[in-house]
Amino acid sequence: QQQVKQSPQSLIVQKGGISIINCAYENTAFDYFPWYQQFPGKGPALLIAIRPDVSEKKEGRFTISFNKSAKQFSLHIMDSQPGDSATYFCAASYNNDMRFGAGTRLTVKP
Amino acid sequence: ETGVTQSPTHLIKTRGQQVTLRCSSQSGHNTVSWYQQALGQGPQFIFQYYREEENGRGNFPPRFSGLQFPNYSSELNVNALELDDSALYLCASSAYRPGELFFGEGSRLTVL
Repeated sequence: QQQVKQSPQSLIVQKGGISIINCAYENTAFDYFPWYQQFPGKGPALLIAIRPDVSEKKEGRFTISFNKSAKQFSLHIMDSQPGDSATYFCAASYNNDMRFGAGTRLTVKP
Repeated sequence: ETGVTQSPTHLIKTRGQQVTLRCSSQSGHNTVSWYQQALGQGPQFIFQYYREEENGRGNFPPRFSGLQFPNYSSELNVNALELDDSALYLCASSAYRPGELFFGEGSRLTVL
């Protein structure tokens, strides 16, 4: 089922640094690309999302960069904080089918 | 506004048994999706219900089945449990915008 490949598997960043997580997809029919944040014991929470008609979307410290021709998109977390420590999932959807990446465990060190 | 709620939060079953998991969707949401999340993995799409009808299904066998009720709440049923069914089962609801899923905290199933 894996149609979305996510890297790295884990990431350690110092407080104030930039966290970058990358994803690649295969199915060109995908038309919605969200990022989810998941804390231990909780369900995933929608963080930010983009549609393929734009190349970048920014919300606060979180930015999605989208490259349609390369079928890749990435999440940038600026000024990373210890509270950002969580697992991040990229996803891609078409109609009613959403496929998730395997996740990136982010640790932000104080 | 009430979020997505799931029950039970944890349960333990043995191989061959059957399990029913329940989900109440967020207020105003008419679509419910179910996902299986194995430890250390991303959620895998099981199926989706829209207005009480199955509206898409992932690569899961028929022993995974579901229902959606008129109040948009939903059930996931798994028959003939196998050890590999041990996972966190997540319910997500959505409204008119496909893709904007709101997840519950999940039901942790352990099959012994």
